[in-house]
Amino acid sequence: ETGVTQTPRHLVMGMTNKKSLKCEQHLGHNAMYWYKQSAKKPLELMFVYSLEERVENNSVPSRFSPECPNSSHLFLHLHTLQPEDSALYLCASSQGKGGTEAFFGQGTRLTVV
Amino acid sequence: EDQVTQSPEALRLQEGESSSLNCSYTVSGLRGLFWYRQDPGKGPEFLFTLYSAGEEKEKERLKATLTKKESFLHITAPKPEDSATYLCAVQAGFQKLVFGTGTRLLVSP
Repeated sequence: ETGVTQTPRHLVMGMTNKKSLKCEQHLGHNAMYWYKQSAKKPLELMFVYSLEERVENNSVPSRFSPECPNSSHLFLHLHTLQPEDSALYLCASSQGKGGTEAFFGQGTRLTVV
Repeated sequence: EDQVTQSPEALRLQEGESSSLNCSYTVSGLRGLFWYRQDPGKGPEFLFTLYSAGEEKEKERLKATLTKKESFLHITAPKPEDSATYLCAVQAGFQKLVFGTGTRLLVSP
């Protein structure tokens, strides 16, 4: 399998549930990202991990908790979400320190009810 | 503040009708400008990277150009399968991409 794989593709959860999104990259990259994409808004960077160390946290609410156990895997743990958190959550990976393209997964469509 | 503005928001073309999409940017120290294509319900697919003013890249019917303030994505003789949302992003700092809201392109047969 190649590229960036995200699971699940679709998720519906209640506001009191706890769930996790998973991302796996098969490109040998050293950086991984979580982005949020809402309708009519630009992609919003949430977290960046470089060499398994979190280097960016864009003022994301604590109900979103990332985890990067190794350079190939990235998780986003979700708990007590709000309806406004419904969006497409995209994982991406890249190689290098900057000026290199990021490759995206297919995303998880999250609906909070 | 780093910012990317794309225009038009939406564009409808007839098959074979060439046009251009615009991406204007302000960033402190451009490390790269990226074009992506995104189909509904899917993740963005990488198209091009441009690093310096005057640079051009081509892929099939698409050609991307870069100046100091903006980038253009030229679409020559588009086909219905070129219909998608085209996203522009700039590298702003260490491993951080700033995206525009995209241009939704619809090509009718």
